[in-house]
Amino acid sequence: EVQLVESGGGLVKPGGSLRLSCAASGFTFSSYSMNWVRQAPGKGLEWVSSISSGSSYIYYADSVKGRFTISRDNAKNSLYLQMNSLRADDTAVYYCARGGYCSSTSCSPYYYFDYWGQGTLVTVSS
Amino acid sequence: EIVMTQSPATLSVSPGERATLSCRASQSVSSNLAWYQQKPGQAPRLLIYGASTRATGIPARFSGSGSGTEFTLTISSLQSEDFAVYYCQQYDNWPPYTFGQGTKLEIK
Repeated sequence: EVQLVESGGGLVKPGGSLRLSCAASGFTFSSYSMNWVRQAPGKGLEWVSSISSGSSYIYYADSVKGRFTISRDNAKNSLYLQMNSLRADDTAVYYCARGGYCSSTSCSPYYYFDYWGQGTLVTVSS
Repeated sequence: EIVMTQSPATLSVSPGERATLSCRASQSVSSNLAWYQQKPGQAPRLLIYGASTRATGIPARFSGSGSGTEFTLTISSLQSEDFAVYYCQQYDNWPPYTFGQGTKLEIK
């Protein structure tokens, strides 16, 4: 059974930092792209960042570029999101989500998010 | 960036009736469109990918159609557990992946 479990959320002051983690199990983590998606209170879904299976390709939403860093440790089956210079509008539930399969040479260019974690709440407030 | 627009924002339907939700893309996304269901306090769940393929374990009453810029999610006979918020997402031209703003399906 595929499981994704996020942790690391909490209350942080504006300008502060936080590191989110996502522990994966039930599939070959190193063969899949992974993603972070967030949802502000009462709002819709917003894609934040994606990372390919071997970390060669990394993408960010404009709203977080230069402030957030996505990374992964395939030996630990874990995905991370380092969030710096946090702002009030970063307040949201952050979900990790599995993306597409990657072979040894390439990743599927068209993929949806088939499994999601339960999310971790990040609140940025003074 | 491709903008996804869902309509209506809220849909009121009686149990047992059919629900039809719409999603429009600002430019063609071919069939690279997914639908998700989200219940209060829960993570989104994948329902449909490739515009019309049901994800594993999704009941047959859920169906998707469309291609290009116009897409539809149909729930043929609403069950109590189907009342939720539904999002469409394009994965044709990224980054960024973009979602619609959601349609809330409520009990009439």
